[in-house]
Amino acid sequence: AAGVIQSPRHLIKEKRETATLKCYPIPRHDTVYWYQQGPGQDPQFLISFYEKMQSDKGSIPDRFSAQQFSDYHSELNMSSLELGDSALYFCASSLEQGYYGYTFGSGTRLTVV
Amino acid sequence: AQKITQTQPGMFVQEKEAVTLDCTYDTSDPSYGLFWYKQPSSGEMIFLIYQGSYDQQNATEGRYSLNFQKARKSANLVISASQLGDSAMYFCAMREGSGGGADGLTFGKGTHLIIQP
Repeated sequence: AAGVIQSPRHLIKEKRETATLKCYPIPRHDTVYWYQQGPGQDPQFLISFYEKMQSDKGSIPDRFSAQQFSDYHSELNMSSLELGDSALYFCASSLEQGYYGYTFGSGTRLTVV
Repeated sequence: AQKITQTQPGMFVQEKEAVTLDCTYDTSDPSYGLFWYKQPSSGEMIFLIYQGSYDQQNATEGRYSLNFQKARKSANLVISASQLGDSAMYFCAMREGSGGGADGLTFGKGTHLIIQP
């Protein structure tokens, strides 16, 4: 069965650079969520989109932005990267805004040096 | 206040024994969902089991069962006949509301389970 696809799997950036993470949800899933998991931490919810509109917002820094496109894939854009942004970034997708549960991608590991 | 509390940072268990991972939650919303995820050292987040607040019976999925005690706001994960491959971080998570609004999950701090041969 198709899963949630995230790219790239690994990314190394320097401080103050910009990074773009991509997420391709399971076909027919209409909702996408982004989470950030720092080293040894629990995942923190960043933002979600339902039918291409921003739906819920968590602890997302102002330097980050995201959108969901017409084909339902989503991109998380991070600017002015800081060392503290080094983390595992998960995308999850669901049907009907999570009523039937969530499927997570394998994550993108971002390292800021 | 923590919405999800996992009081066991780490656990060592002998192979083939049953394991109970504790999770308590805090919400005033009458409609909520509780999830357990497994995160191996490779990093992916694997869904294990789900319990809705209105579900009358405890959820079960193969070797996983959820001991749901609503009055105590407790949702413990039980793994029967543990295997070496069960060694991983386990996260309890909650969605408040019935699922509308694309609400994000709130996670606990996790329990690091190590199965010993």
